[in-house]
Amino acid sequence: QKEVEQDPGPLSVPEGAIVSLNCTYSNSAFQYFMWYRQYSRKGPELLMYTYSSGNKEDGRFTAQVDKSSKYISLFIRDSQPSDSATYLCAMSGYSSASKIIFGSGTRLSIRP
Amino acid sequence: DTGVSQDPRHKITKRGQNVTFRCDPISEHNRLYWYRQTLGQGPEFLTYFQNEAQLEKSRLLSNRFSAERPKGSFSTLEIQRTEQGDSAMYLCASSFPAGDPNTGELFFGEGSRLTVL
Repeated sequence: QKEVEQDPGPLSVPEGAIVSLNCTYSNSAFQYFMWYRQYSRKGPELLMYTYSSGNKEDGRFTAQVDKSSKYISLFIRDSQPSDSATYLCAMSGYSSASKIIFGSGTRLSIRP
Repeated sequence: DTGVSQDPRHKITKRGQNVTFRCDPISEHNRLYWYRQTLGQGPEFLTYFQNEAQLEKSRLLSNRFSAERPKGSFSTLEIQRTEQGDSAMYLCASSFPAGDPNTGELFFGEGSRLTVL
């Protein structure tokens, strides 16, 4: 079993829709939770970063962490065609010095 | 350009040959990571350095792979006796020092794509 599980998609939604992306994990030592976005032929770039449980909002993006369920989510409101990319969840352990483990990524397409 | 740079961007080699990739991190970052990514998968952790010290190496990493960061600046990743299964994108990333609240942010290069024929 992988430490981090993520539905690979692809996910296709119309412009303006609310998108929900999710990951589950098995390692209870994870404390830092991140979402990266990766465009084709580019390296990933950080979108959201949260520590422990709770919600964090940044513009159209909201990240949620539920450590009791070992489940994290990313919501995108008012989705735009420019949001079309692969979204990777990532997490690391008890210290910010730990290695960062990535999910397999969900490919998202926003239809104009 | 002050981002992470990787060289070469694309390498085609024959099975059994050795290849070396170079990564130049962002200058103020003392952490440097190597990941491998295949099509449809997320980045798979290979190894990481803090300054010149290699802190962790993936158990999945064969002894044909070796990484160095001799002066705590640029890093090289060498693959000896390449196999077709080594074909992938090799990503380098750097980050702020441990304990910095932004340590979770990895800054990635654009990767070095390896094709083994």
